[in-house]
Order: sequence, then structure tokens, then C-alpha cells
Amino acid sequence: DAGITQSPRHKVTETGTPVTLRCHQTENHRYMYWYRQDPGHGLRLIHYSYGVKDTDKGEVSDGYSVSRSKTEDFLLTLESATSSQTSVYFCAISPRQGHNQPQHFGDGTRLSIL
Amino acid sequence: AQSVTQLDSQVPVFEEAPVELRCNYSSSVSVYLFWYVQYPNQGLQLLLKYLSGSTLVKGINGFEAEFNKSQTSFHLRKPSVHISDTAEYFCAVSATDYGGSQGNLIFGKGTKLSVKP
Repeated sequence: DAGITQSPRHKVTETGTPVTLRCHQTENHRYMYWYRQDPGHGLRLIHYSYGVKDTDKGEVSDGYSVSRSKTEDFLLTLESATSSQTSVYFCAISPRQGHNQPQHFGDGTRLSIL
Repeated sequence: AQSVTQLDSQVPVFEEAPVELRCNYSSSVSVYLFWYVQYPNQGLQLLLKYLSGSTLVKGINGFEAEFNKSQTSFHLRKPSVHISDTAEYFCAVSATDYGGSQGNLIFGKGTKLSVKP
């Protein structure tokens, strides 16, 4: 399995609070991604990173920000959590640029916002 | 907008029976196609991929998929399923006309395969 660790694995918090999820990789891969998974929607891309301090928006980026200060860490922040952001969040990594590169996924973070 | 359609949200099947999980995509340029499997409370695991060459692709756990360009399909098959194949399966596509240059994946909504004894 690719060396991807997501933390925390589970979190319950209240509406309006800030939340930060961490993705840590030991593969030295350049590309990192954050997805959310919701029933009936599959996985949807939130943000991705193509290098240290290089990030871009995905399909559902509103309400989320990211940071990547080191190759191994990609942080996802909900500045003011809302109930609609209750979801399972997955981090993925990929070694190279290109449409033919598969992504490898972490085990996910289950986030509940009350 | 480009899309990936998994035609069945749930597929129940008896053990040792064959199964086909359907995936169609919309694209007019070259595509790269992937199937992922997700077991309960786990992340997604790559099952197989089509990049080029032979249209019949073999993956792990006895699964295979066939790329059909004229029908824009990439159906997943297994001739004889086991209880342990119970999971959710996701089709994903990467193509240059899906936007971006980083190889972003577009996922289908998933098919839950339930294998019964």
C-alpha cells in the first residue's frame, strides 16, 4: 500500500468551527489531491497540489482552503465548517503529471459537523 | 460537461455467478480509464487501468474490463464472484478535455456489489 496517512480518522465538530485535516505521505510523490465522498455523488475533487506551495481548485472548492509547505504534507482547512461539509474526505497521491497516472488513496477521514 | 455514468447503483449477485458492472463516459478525445474498489471503511484501491493497447485489461482479484471506444464504455467483469468481492466499485476517467493539465480524475457515482451465499 502507498504510504498515505490521514489524520484524524474521525472527527465530530460544531457548525462555525475551523477544522484542519492532514494528509501525510512517505512516497515523495509530487501530486496530492483532496476529495470528498458523499452517497450518490461518488468522489469529487476539492483541491489538488502539483508541488510545494502550488495548489489549484477542483470541482467543489468553495468553503475549503489547502496548503502544502512540504512535499509530504497536504492540509485541508474548513475555515468555518457547515453541516453541508459533513462527508468522508480522501487524500490521494500520484508520482507524476499526466492523464495516464493512477492515483493512490488514503483510508479517509469521516467528518461530522453538527 | 464531461461525465462518467455507472448505470447500476446496486448489483446483487449470488456467489460463483458472473457479474458485469457497467461504466460509460463522455469524451471526444483520448481517455485513460480506471476501476477502483472500496471495501467498507477503507480507501479506494486500484483494480485495473486502461491506458493504451489491448482493449481487454486484466486486473487484480480476477477482474477484467473491456474498453469499447465506439460505445464509450469500460465495463468491469468477473466470471465467478466470491463473498469477499462485496464492495463498492468506482469507474474513473482522465482525459484532456475534462479540464486541467494535471490528470484529474472524474469519478462515477459508484456501484455497490453485494455477493450473497
